[in-house]
Amino acid sequence: QVQLKESGPGLVQPSQTLSLTCTVSGFSLTSYSVHWVRQHSGKSLEWMGRMWSDGDTSYNSAFTSRLSISRDTSKSQVFLKMNSLQTEDTGTYYCARNSGYFDYWGQGVMVTVSS
Amino acid sequence: DIQMTQSPASLSASLGETVTIQCRASEDIYSGLAWYQQKPGKSPQLLIYGASSLQDGVPSRFSGSGSGTQYSLKISSMQTEDEGVYFCQQGLKYPYTFGAGTKLELK
Repeated sequence: QVQLKESGPGLVQPSQTLSLTCTVSGFSLTSYSVHWVRQHSGKSLEWMGRMWSDGDTSYNSAFTSRLSISRDTSKSQVFLKMNSLQTEDTGTYYCARNSGYFDYWGQGVMVTVSS
Repeated sequence: DIQMTQSPASLSASLGETVTIQCRASEDIYSGLAWYQQKPGKSPQLLIYGASSLQDGVPSRFSGSGSGTQYSLKISSMQTEDEGVYFCQQGLKYPYTFGAGTKLELK
């Protein structure tokens, strides 16, 4: 069955870099796009960017040049790296498969930016 | 960016009651709209896509309608398990954007 699972540190210091991994199973990264979506505590969802099935990437301009998404198809993993973290980057980070819409989501990883 | 405005922000409904949630886009999104349900501590789950298509496994009491800039989600008979937060999302243009959410509680 289709599964996505995020992993990464729960605590990051301000100005540091966040590195998250999304490990997928049940489908191929060369057939579907995988996106990253962020949610501030109890609030709405914010689309961050995506890794397309052909390896192309697209980012939300709200994150300017801070965000980078890459993948390792041999390991079925998609990576998120975001630098210059601030306290307002605290939230839950999800990866989700998109087949037109977000039909499968990971369970999310809670990230706190604090010194 | 396309702005998505949801209403109401919260509502409570009795068992068996019909519930309607509205979503308005800042421009025509040509039915490129999805609805998600999120329960506390869980990730969002896709309910409706393409404005009116029911995702596999979703109960038939959920339905979506609308066109242009105005869309709605209807629950025909409120059940206990329908409590949660509902989000609309436009999938027409990047960046994809979501509504602020509607919190649905059982009265």
